[in-house]
Amino acid sequence: DVKVTQSSRYLVKRTGEKVFLECVQDMDHENMFWYRQDPGLGLRLIYFSYDVKMKEKGDIPEGYSVSREKKERFSLILESASTNQTSMYLCASSSQTGGHGEKLFFGSGTQLSVL
Amino acid sequence: KQEVTQIPAALSVPEGENLVLNCSFTDSAIYNLQWFRQDPGKGLTSLLLIQSSQREQTSGRLNASLDKSSGRSTLYIAASQPGDSATYLCAVIRGSTLGRLYFGRGTQLTVWP
Repeated sequence: DVKVTQSSRYLVKRTGEKVFLECVQDMDHENMFWYRQDPGLGLRLIYFSYDVKMKEKGDIPEGYSVSREKKERFSLILESASTNQTSMYLCASSSQTGGHGEKLFFGSGTQLSVL
Repeated sequence: KQEVTQIPAALSVPEGENLVLNCSFTDSAIYNLQWFRQDPGKGLTSLLLIQSSQREQTSGRLNASLDKSSGRSTLYIAASQPGDSATYLCAVIRGSTLGRLYFGRGTQLTVWP
């Protein structure tokens, strides 16, 4: 089975801190995504990547950056955490070709609280 | 821009009922459509994927249909069980934005014994 692993299940940070959220997938997927999910707003795409060292802005990239130095790892960086970035962060991956037919696989999520 | 709407937002039914969840999308030029399940505080699990050339997909008690021309998909759950309680989300990939999904806000389903 495909596994998408997010490094932390819960995270508490202070305003102004630099925060790293890590995501690793084990199925050699080309595509990787970072979403945030908030009550009443649904899932919103922050950034995505189609290949190593490539990144594309999603709908709400402000205040975030990403890094994809290796195919299996996609990192989300909060440059200076703010309270409005308190949210559930979900990482996902998919294949561009092959048997999964672009089915999207999600990690378990990181609940981030910024105090 | 692709807009995805799910109706109803919440649904509460007794165990054993057959039920239908609805999903509509504004741009019919989709590449595929996926249905997901999300349990509270967890990530999403893919249930069914329908390619744009297909009309339906089945997995166990779940059946999803797709009508591209009308911009609609339905998820049919047969003989519902309390374990089916979760939020169900649909998402589409537009033909011009391969890989990127556009999500609805979900239907929160409660099946009571």
